[in-house]
Amino acid sequence: EAQVTQNPRYLITVTGKKLTVTCSQNMNHEYMSWYRQDPGLGLRQIYYSMNVEVTDKGDVPEGYKVSRKEKRNFPLILESPSPNQTSLYFCASSPRLPPEQFFGPGTRLTVL
Amino acid sequence: SQQGEEDPQALSIQEGENATMNCSYKTSINNLQWYRQNSGRGLVHLILIRSNEREKHSGRLRVTLDTSKKSSSLLITASRAADTASYFCATDAGDSSYKLIFGSGTRLLVRP
Repeated sequence: EAQVTQNPRYLITVTGKKLTVTCSQNMNHEYMSWYRQDPGLGLRQIYYSMNVEVTDKGDVPEGYKVSRKEKRNFPLILESPSPNQTSLYFCASSPRLPPEQFFGPGTRLTVL
Repeated sequence: SQQGEEDPQALSIQEGENATMNCSYKTSINNLQWYRQNSGRGLVHLILIRSNEREKHSGRLRVTLDTSKKSSSLLITASRAADTASYFCATDAGDSSYKLIFGSGTRLLVRP
């Protein structure tokens, strides 16, 4: 089944404890992206990647890192999480421009 | 930055009625997309309209685009209770990048 998977789906952590949210797609898509969703703010793009080893900042990249070493994986790294990063995170992938995106199920992160 | 702004923020209609949602954006675009999100889940792509198109249909969905007014509308005809969801428009940044900007969404409730 063609899909985007994210792990974990739910995570509660404490301030400053490094964490990684994984994202994987099995559709051989070139483009992948991370978003966060907060009430009243819609989705905001954190980082995106056009292909392996090619990444760029979205609207809210501060406090996040990404890497794209393989086409199928695009992990989101929070080196030192803070409470304002408590949010619902979505990974998405797309085969081409324009990016009609396939979304993962989401990761609900709480930073205490 | 918030490129797309949906209107209304919330809409409640009776099953069988039509639902219309609007999206306004600020800068020139290459295309505009509409997505649907069931509560807390990943977004699902509904339809894409290019900047040189004025109207597009997909099943019970009709999307219009007015680039002179920088606005788009999504019409769902003969609504069903299963259409209850949040609907988001998303625009590209007007260049050839993969950057996508989402609006804050319209919450649609279809009463049985």
